[in-house]
Amino acid sequence: EPEVTQTPSHQVTQMGQEVILRCVPISNHLYFYWYRQILGQKVEFLVSFYNNEISEKSEIFDDQFSVERPDGSNFTLKIRSTKLEDSAMYFCASSEEAYQPQHFGDGTRLSIL
Amino acid sequence: AQSVSQHNHHVILSEAASLELGCNYSYGGTVNLFWYVQYPGQHLQLLLKYFSGDPLVKGIKGFEAEFIKSKFSFNLRKPSVQWSDTAEYFCAVNVAGNTGKLIFGQGTTLQVKP
Repeated sequence: EPEVTQTPSHQVTQMGQEVILRCVPISNHLYFYWYRQILGQKVEFLVSFYNNEISEKSEIFDDQFSVERPDGSNFTLKIRSTKLEDSAMYFCASSEEAYQPQHFGDGTRLSIL
Repeated sequence: AQSVSQHNHHVILSEAASLELGCNYSYGGTVNLFWYVQYPGQHLQLLLKYFSGDPLVKGIKGFEAEFIKSKFSFNLRKPSVQWSDTAEYFCAVNVAGNTGKLIFGQGTTLQVKP
């Protein structure tokens, strides 16, 4: 079964540094998402992306965050200047249609020091 | 704002016991409902979904869920759990017609004792 893949599995970064989290969605999917889960808290929606543009973003997704689909396969989340509170597990997901079930990657654990 | 709440944070059962995990959501319009499971060390996987039609839906591994619109609930059930069902379970809601954003409950950790 096709899978969503995320790299790296664990990223450790100094506060203030930029970080890029990478995802390869399932190839025939059109909708892409990022979520995060701070330890002990809910999985929270960050952003949805369709047709090469952001279709919805949450309040968390401020100017420090950006997403990009640089080629036909990758979908990236960039945090420009990381803060301690950005430490979380970040999940990428994709779906064929907006209402269809989303397929999730294994996540990237981001640790900000 | 839409929200999802799961009643139980941590459930411990013995094998063969019956399971019911509660999920309520707050949104007055049409929703799509999902239960996801995360086994230790693995990614979130879809257990079952409800879009429309029969409010009793069956998923993988013997799980089922019932959508009760009047109660804004979508409870997950399994008649007889197995040790391999030990995992974290997430209820999620997607507002029909939107961008696909999923709103998750806080998750329920199920521990099944052999």
